[in-house]
Amino acid sequence: KAGVTQTPRYLIKTRGQQVTLSCSPISGHRSVSWYQQTPGQGLQFLFEYFSETQRNKGNFPGRFSGRQFSNSRSEMNVSTLELGDSALYLCASSLYPREAGAFFGQGTRLTVV
Amino acid sequence: SQQGEEDPQALSIQEGENATMNCSYKTSINNLQWYRQNSGRGLVHLILIRSNEREKHSGRLRVTLDTSKKSSSLLITASRAADTASYFCATEGAGNNRKLIWGLGTSLAVNP
Repeated sequence: KAGVTQTPRYLIKTRGQQVTLSCSPISGHRSVSWYQQTPGQGLQFLFEYFSETQRNKGNFPGRFSGRQFSNSRSEMNVSTLELGDSALYLCASSLYPREAGAFFGQGTRLTVV
Repeated sequence: SQQGEEDPQALSIQEGENATMNCSYKTSINNLQWYRQNSGRGLVHLILIRSNEREKHSGRLRVTLDTSKKSSSLLITASRAADTASYFCATEGAGNNRKLIWGLGTSLAVNP
């Protein structure tokens, strides 16, 4: 069974630009969550999608948005990039409700210059 | 905001020794999970313990949960160099609040 696939793995953008990150969950998993990981703040929850609906949202500004498609693939978008958005963005897929933990992708390393 | 706080922040031991990491959290939970992260394999789920469980084992891992103290511990027995990684606890909230809230992690170094 293929794992969680995130693309791209690395990305360099300039301030003010926007970026779209993609996540393909494990086959059969309908829940996809996104996290931002930075050395100072650790892992911060962004949002969770299940069956194309946002189920939970973290405390991030509206510049961060996401969506889920009918095949459970998910994208997250960050508009008007700021230097502080530089981070590792992790996607996790899981069965819903979760009783076996979440499976993470390798992440997308975003650098904003 | 962080829910969990791991203790210690960093731990260095010799191969064969046991490693114990602790996690404290603040609100009611549905379950608590431990994950490992290293550069080679990314973030990997290790073990999940439900709020009505007190202890769980998986191979060389032993997890305890004390909901009265809002704390958990992860014990790795007979550690190996390959156990070198950062270990995170994550709590899933009770009720409809099911997002995972993470601690900042314990960095474990196992020296050969």
